[in-house]
Amino acid sequence: KAGVTQTPRYLIKTRGQQVTLSCSPISGHRSVSWYQQTPGQGLQFLFEYFSETQRNKGNFPGRFSGRQFSNSRSEMNVSTLELGDSALYLCASSLNPRDTQYFGPGTRLTVL
Amino acid sequence: KNEVEQSPQNLTAQEGEFITINCSYSVGISALHWLQQHPGGGIVSLFMLSSGKKKHGRLIATINIQEKHSSLHITASHPRDSAVYICAVWNNNDMRFGAGTRLTVKP
Repeated sequence: KAGVTQTPRYLIKTRGQQVTLSCSPISGHRSVSWYQQTPGQGLQFLFEYFSETQRNKGNFPGRFSGRQFSNSRSEMNVSTLELGDSALYLCASSLNPRDTQYFGPGTRLTVL
Repeated sequence: KNEVEQSPQNLTAQEGEFITINCSYSVGISALHWLQQHPGGGIVSLFMLSSGKKKHGRLIATINIQEKHSSLHITASHPRDSAVYICAVWNNNDMRFGAGTRLTVKP
């Protein structure tokens, strides 16, 4: 079975731009979660999706949004990028919410 | 004070040593995860626990719900175990993470 894939793997943007990151879960997994990792804050929870519905959202501003499609693929969007949004964005999938998660390789976003 | 505290922050061991990493949390949880992150960023979920003890190969994870404490043990440590180990807890509506323990195992 293919693992969790994330695209793109690396991205450079400038302040004020917006970005969309994509995550394809393991086949059959219906739950997708997103995380942000920075040297200063460590890992932080962004969203959890299940069956196209956002179940939970972490403490992030409204500039961070996401969605899940009927095939369980998920996207997250960050609008009006700030320098502090530079981070590794990780996606993880599981069969159902709160099951063991399988992480993708991450998308490293740099905001200049 | 962080809701999820790990100790130690850094740990250096000689190959073959028995290693213990601790995690204490201050919130109610539905499950606790131990994650392993290698240089380059890839994260692997090692264990998910809600009670008791789990074992996988040389790795053992325990949790004491009453004391709000979990430990990750590595027996017969090996240089390939060198990584950052992260404790994470599901608390109602989100996941909270410890700062991680950086383990270096020297040959």
